[in-house]
Amino acid sequence: GAVVSQHPSRVICKSGTSVKIECRSLDFQATTMFWYRQFPKQSLMLMATSNEGSKATYEQGVEKDKFLINHASLTLSTLTVTSAHPEDSSFYICSADLLAGVAETQYFGPGTRLLVL
Amino acid sequence: AQSVTQPDIHITVSEGASLELRCNYSYGATPYLFWYVQSPGQGLQLLLKYFSGDTLVQGIKGFEAEFKRSQSSFNLRKPSVHWSDAAEYFCAVGGQAGTALIFGKGTTLSVSS
Repeated sequence: GAVVSQHPSRVICKSGTSVKIECRSLDFQATTMFWYRQFPKQSLMLMATSNEGSKATYEQGVEKDKFLINHASLTLSTLTVTSAHPEDSSFYICSADLLAGVAETQYFGPGTRLLVL
Repeated sequence: AQSVTQPDIHITVSEGASLELRCNYSYGATPYLFWYVQSPGQGLQLLLKYFSGDTLVQGIKGFEAEFKRSQSSFNLRKPSVHWSDAAEYFCAVGGQAGTALIFGKGTTLSVSS
């Protein structure tokens, strides 16, 4: 099956530092990857859509200068949380698009839990 | 507006009993529908999906879901629940390739012995 990995799975950092999260599709190529954010006991909220070789498309209210997304290859997208603050603490989940026929299925990574102190 | 509604925030079912989780959607184009399960602190696992064809779809772990276009629903069912099914369940709707999924708020399933 299609596997998506995320690294790191858990990170604790000090306020003001930057954190990079990697999302990799291990056994397929993904033209499009998505980054979601999930607060405790809540649903997933789309942050941005990442397309290989082009700029990411951010959802309304998501600061593009704070959440830097780079989709350098068909198997890797990175999310960098710059100058992290405690309110950025959350569960970040990526997904990768696997096109099968005319429809698509998104496969999700295991998530990265970020805690900013 | 495009949205997914999961009316039940929390459901408790006895082990061995049947389960139905409700999902209603609003989507402007042809909907592709999904059910995902999430265990605490984990990512999402795809249970099943509906793209077209037979409106009753079978998934992993004994789950099935029925697409009812007239009711804009895609309810998830399981005939006999196991304690290991306790988790958070998310219904989602998407469109053609390259579009993000829209998730419902989730339903927490507890299984009592």
